Amino acid sequence: DTGVSQDPRHKITKRGQNVTFRCDPISEHNRLYWYRQTLGQGPEFLTYFQNEAQLEKSRLLSDRFSAERPKGSFSTLEIQRTEQGDSAMYLCASSLGAGRHEQYFGPGTRLTVT
Amino acid sequence: TQLLEQSPQFLSIQEGENLTVYCNSSSVFSSLQWYRQEPGEGPVLLVTVVTGGEVKKLKRLTFQFGDARKDSSLHITAAQPGDTGLYLCAGFRAAGNKLTFGGGTRVLVKP
Repeated sequence: DTGVSQDPRHKITKRGQNVTFRCDPISEHNRLYWYRQTLGQGPEFLTYFQNEAQLEKSRLLSDRFSAERPKGSFSTLEIQRTEQGDSAMYLCASSLGAGRHEQYFGPGTRLTVT
Repeated sequence: TQLLEQSPQFLSIQEGENLTVYCNSSSVFSSLQWYRQEPGEGPVLLVTVVTGGEVKKLKRLTFQFGDARKDSSLHITAAQPGDTGLYLCAGFRAAGNKLTFGGGTRVLVKP
């Protein structure tokens, strides 16, 4: 099964530390998305890539957040100087693009900031 | 402010009963997708509806897209405990190239 994978699945960090998450999309998918989901809510869009180009960032995304997709394959999401409010599930999804709207999600990374 | 409103937020029923979840918006979407999510896992795609008025069936699940492509419903017939989960609707707008999710409906099917 070559679905979307994310690493790590869980991360506990102290406030003020930096964290980095990785997402490996489905191999032939050229679009990659990051979402954040807090308890009891639906996922909220953070940013997306078309191949290696980051095409949109949500206004919700502070400048402590940065995402990359250097070779158009895997992506990383870094959060600098973490705050307790950053605690959430970070979800990655990929899609074929080109008129295909279906997005396939990874299992997520659960971040807890203490 | 949620662009997509789901109702109800929580539904608890007995095994064998039917249920309907609603997803409403004032906006038009190019397509609408339904997902189911288990605790601690990512959402799993159930179906995509694209055409206004479209009805799709997936075993005991029936999905309908409103004629104006602003709303959708999910109906489960003879629910089973395995149907328990968080059901999410998500609208896609080609102009934005991203999904907008509803707040989800938590379904509990008791044996």
